[in-house]
Amino acid sequence: QVQLVESGGGVVQPGRSLRLSCAASGFPFSSYGMHWVRQAPGKGLEWVAFISYDGSPKHYTDSVKGRFTVSRDNSKNMLYLQMNSLRAEDTSVYYCAKDRDEGGSCPSDHWGQGTLVTVSS
Amino acid sequence: DIVMTQSPDSLAVSLGERATINCKSSQTVLYSSKNKNYLAWYQQKPGQPPKLLIYWASTRESGVPDRFSGSGSGTDFTLTISSLQAEDVAVYYCQQYYSLRSFGQGTKVEIK
Repeated sequence: QVQLVESGGGVVQPGRSLRLSCAASGFPFSSYGMHWVRQAPGKGLEWVAFISYDGSPKHYTDSVKGRFTVSRDNSKNMLYLQMNSLRAEDTSVYYCAKDRDEGGSCPSDHWGQGTLVTVSS
Repeated sequence: DIVMTQSPDSLAVSLGERATINCKSSQTVLYSSKNKNYLAWYQQKPGQPPKLLIYWASTRESGVPDRFSGSGSGTDFTLTISSLQAEDVAVYYCQQYYSLRSFGQGTKVEIK
């Protein structure tokens, strides 16, 4: 069955960096687009980033452009989110999510359990 | 950017009664050439990730009970729970996937 397991969260000071990972299994990872979605404590869902099945194109929400970089290693079935210049408002649970369809332009049908990132001094 | 707005922010419904959640997009999410609305609904229970319920505005995901239904086109959409069950207590989100992705702010459904 499809499994997505995020890791790498933790407490980090403002201005510092963190890299999140998402280990995928149970489906042909290299055939699907992947997303990062975040949720601040007690708040709603916010889409963060997308990477196509083969690594290009990539898209970001405006608030993280120039600070966050999404990448993937299809040989390892891994998705990453490099987060630089972190701000307090980046504090959230970060979920990785899989495109439902190989062709893209579709919702996400499987999500990980999330990893919490807390940006605080 | 497409902004998604849900109403109401919360609602309380008696067990067995109908719950209706609305979602409005700031621009159309209907891809005319394909005649498809790029609109999905998710359910999120406390401490859990979101679960896909409905896509293409009205297609139920496999395994989703038929008391959940979606309707609408263009910019106005509705999620209906025909007979609310205790396990349906959750926050529900609409999402457009017409242009990148964006979510509504969520609607919390509770038992009256």
